[in-house]
Amino acid sequence: DAKTTQPTSMDCAEGRAANLPCNHSTISGNEYVYWYRQIHSQGPQYIIHGLKNNETNEMASLIITEDRKSSTLILPHATLRDTAVYYCIAPGAGSARQLTFGSGTQLTVLP
Amino acid sequence: EAQVTQNPRYLITVTGKKLTVTCSQNMNHEYMSWYRQDPGLGLRQIYYSMNVEVTDKGDVPEGYKVSRKEKRNFPLILESPSPNQTSLYFCASSLRDAASGYTFGSGTRLTVV
Repeated sequence: DAKTTQPTSMDCAEGRAANLPCNHSTISGNEYVYWYRQIHSQGPQYIIHGLKNNETNEMASLIITEDRKSSTLILPHATLRDTAVYYCIAPGAGSARQLTFGSGTQLTVLP
Repeated sequence: EAQVTQNPRYLITVTGKKLTVTCSQNMNHEYMSWYRQDPGLGLRQIYYSMNVEVTDKGDVPEGYKVSRKEKRNFPLILESPSPNQTSLYFCASSLRDAASGYTFGSGTRLTVV
């Protein structure tokens, strides 16, 4: 697995875009980047994943830099319910064992 | 609805009394896994299973057993629970492997006294 680095915490005003960065400078060419979030004591929830191209789904957008050393998860219009710990993970192609969840970023959406 | 179902949600037990936490998924996923989550330590994998009758240890397997007799079920067994196994437990499944995208259960909060 590639090591990922995320800020410990971030705040965002309700209704504004939340931009969560992740550094994964050791990522290899065939490793995807996954984002999950965990709302307090609930099971982690898959958000989005990508390899090279930017990705968008109903929850978020994922912007991956051209050199693939970092990415940004964008929640376009953050709500109070988006307050959670967000995990950026690069598990490695064909990972049999596990997703390694680091400390993640505690995002707090403020009213 | 596609989901991973864990039972029970909450359990208080005494040291040494065998218990089983059940996990079932209805998505025909091949890969299933158990994690525990403790304050300051994050999510740590206990055991995983790539398919029926195929299981392997994760990072913290001591004191736990699992079985995978059917594709949909992956129970976690604590033969002789101890207080250091007090934790929040999550079961997860994915289509093929860890990189397929996990679906997590709602969690089981276990207290061993």
